[in-house]
Amino acid sequence: KAGVTQTPRYLIKTRGQQVTLSCSPISGHRSVSWYQQTPGQGLQFLFEYFSETQRNKGNFPGRFSGRQFSNSRSEMNVSTLELGDSALYLCASSLLTNRAFYNEQFFGPGTRLTVL
Amino acid sequence: GDSVTQMEGPVTLSEEAFLTINCTYTATGYPSLFWYVQYPGEGLQLLLKATKADDKGSNKGFEATYRKETTSFHLEKGSVQVSDSAVYFCALNSGGSNYKLTFGKGTLLTVNP
Repeated sequence: KAGVTQTPRYLIKTRGQQVTLSCSPISGHRSVSWYQQTPGQGLQFLFEYFSETQRNKGNFPGRFSGRQFSNSRSEMNVSTLELGDSALYLCASSLLTNRAFYNEQFFGPGTRLTVL
Repeated sequence: GDSVTQMEGPVTLSEEAFLTINCTYTATGYPSLFWYVQYPGEGLQLLLKATKADDKGSNKGFEATYRKETTSFHLEKGSVQVSDSAVYFCALNSGGSNYKLTFGKGTLLTVNP
């Protein structure tokens, strides 16, 4: 079974630009979560989607947004990029259903975003 | 809110040494606890998990026991190998309608031959 895939793997942008990152979950997984990893702040939760609905959102500014499509693929968008947005962005998928219990999250390799 | 505190390291050991990485947590309710490992240039892989008090998670020689009384989930391995060199993250999920993982800062482990 193919794992979580993320594209692109590396991205270089300049301040003020916007960027879209893509995540394809494991087949059959309907929950997709996004995390930002930086040396200073560590791993921080951005948002989680299930059946095209955002259910949880982390403490990030509105410049960070996401969406999920009917095939469970997800994208996240960052507008008006700042130097501090340079990070590894990780996507994770889970079999989680709409029942309130936890399933294991499987992570992709991440997209390394550098903002110049 | 939820939080995880783990020893930040770095930790440097010789091959076949004993490993302990401490992890304590603060959470509402009855969280599930996890250890993830990240090898250079890769995403996170689940190493082991425990979903209720006194559960012991184990995988690839690593073990951790969910201790509710001390709110801890320390990672141990009896004999580390060079291939265990990686960053280890302790994490929790507090359940209910909260679907996110809360991570510790990570511990870099280097094992020398």
